[in-house]
Amino acid sequence: SQQGEEDPQALSIQEGENATMNCSYKTSINNLQWYRQNSGRGLVHLILIRSNEREKHSGRLRVTLDTSKKSSSLLITASRAADTASYFCATDAGGTSYGKLTFGQGTILTVHP
Amino acid sequence: GAVVSQHPSWVICKSGTSVKIECRSLDFQATTMFWYRQFPKQSLMLMATSNEGSKATYEQGVEKDKFLINHASLTLSTLTVTSAHPEDSSFYICSARPGQVYGYTFGSGTRLTVV
Repeated sequence: SQQGEEDPQALSIQEGENATMNCSYKTSINNLQWYRQNSGRGLVHLILIRSNEREKHSGRLRVTLDTSKKSSSLLITASRAADTASYFCATDAGGTSYGKLTFGQGTILTVHP
Repeated sequence: GAVVSQHPSWVICKSGTSVKIECRSLDFQATTMFWYRQFPKQSLMLMATSNEGSKATYEQGVEKDKFLINHASLTLSTLTVTSAHPEDSSFYICSARPGQVYGYTFGSGTRLTVV
């Protein structure tokens, strides 16, 4: 499956600053999700946004989706050192492929205390 | 909530040996599971779709004879890496297809190191 792109590939910020990551994908989707992965560990599901939604919030997370541009962004506000991790977007095309995810290349976020 | 248990969490094996990784749905039935692979500092790539009671569907470029998938029950899918080589060293993670009462659920992953 063809992966989408994320930018930036790496992001380094100070605690308290906001972090914005972008994701672009190639095909039509049923939904888009964002995951966090701490080094060498499993995935933590952060948020899911459906194709008919444009924006979604969850705590310090804000996700936008622009299906016309096939892009999404993840904003983490008031970042903390504990937010240091890799962040991946993942798309589900739905239909017969429902549940099968195509992951972006990821953004490595480092939050300095 | 729905839990997928993956075992082992890490394994070290010698070149030429086979390794089996289990992915088990603990409180629900998963007729379809997905297996992903993640090389160091890279993203996750889908390897195959595991279907209970039928043959797995492999993604392009994934050798089905090397990565044997068995989904013999509604709660268990296994991935066997046969004749493992150092280039098979990777992080393998499974997930269950979302259902009506549960969302996307991933196992905790297995780190395979072949020496």
